[in-house]
Amino acid sequence: EDQVTQSPEALRLQEGESSSLNCSYTVSGLRGLFWYRQDPGKGPEFLFTLYSAGEEKEKERLKATLTKKESFLHITAPKPEDSATYLCAVRGGGSEKLVFGKGTKLTVNP
Amino acid sequence: EPEVTQTPSHQVTQMGQEVILRCVPISNHLYFYWYRQILGQKVEFLVSFYNNEISEKSEIFDDQFSVERPDGSNFTLKIRSTKLEDSAMYFCASSEVRDGPGRQPQHFGDGTRLSIL
Repeated sequence: EDQVTQSPEALRLQEGESSSLNCSYTVSGLRGLFWYRQDPGKGPEFLFTLYSAGEEKEKERLKATLTKKESFLHITAPKPEDSATYLCAVRGGGSEKLVFGKGTKLTVNP
Repeated sequence: EPEVTQTPSHQVTQMGQEVILRCVPISNHLYFYWYRQILGQKVEFLVSFYNNEISEKSEIFDDQFSVERPDGSNFTLKIRSTKLEDSAMYFCASSEVRDGPGRQPQHFGDGTRLSIL
C-alpha cells in the first residue's frame, strides 16, 4: 500500500529564516510526486510535480527535490504570506489516485 | 487562470437524506476526481472518472455513493443516504490527459463542506 509521511507536523519560522519540509514515501512504481499548498478553508493548490530521483523544481522562494525515498520542500527567506499547510502526494503505478500525507503546517512570523 | 468550481460551499443535511455535490472541472480536462478530507485528517481519494465511466474507486466509495457527468460541463457526487460519518470537506479535481494521465497534476476546487446532523 502506498504511504506518505510528512515531517514536521508544524513549523514556525521567523521571516527570512530558511528551512526544509520532508516527505517520505513508499510507493509501487512512482509515477509522480506532487506538492500542494493548502490555505485554511481552501482546496489544495498545485505547486510542483517531480517524476524521477535527482529532479528539482523551483518557484519563487520554494524549491522541491526528489530522491528514491523522500522529497524535500526547501523554503528560502520565507515571508508571512508563505504561511499555509504544505501537502505532499504520490501517484503509484497503475493507479489514478493521489495518496496524500497529513501535511506540514507552516507559520512564518513577521 | 482556469479553475475548478464547486457548489455549494457549505451543505447542511439531515442524516438519511440524499445530497448532491456539484463541480465544474477545468474545460479542457478529461479526468475527474472526488476526494474528501475529514477535519484534521488526510485528504482521501474516493473515485476517478474518465470517458463517462468510473476508472478507479476506493473502499470508501460504496453503494451509497455515485458519480455522474450529466452534461458537458458538470460533474456530480451523490450520496444516497447520508450518515454522520460522511461529514467532511469534499473536493473535486480534474486533470489533462496530455503526456499520459499519470503525469499531469490534479487541480482542485475549494471544496464543499458537508455537515450531517
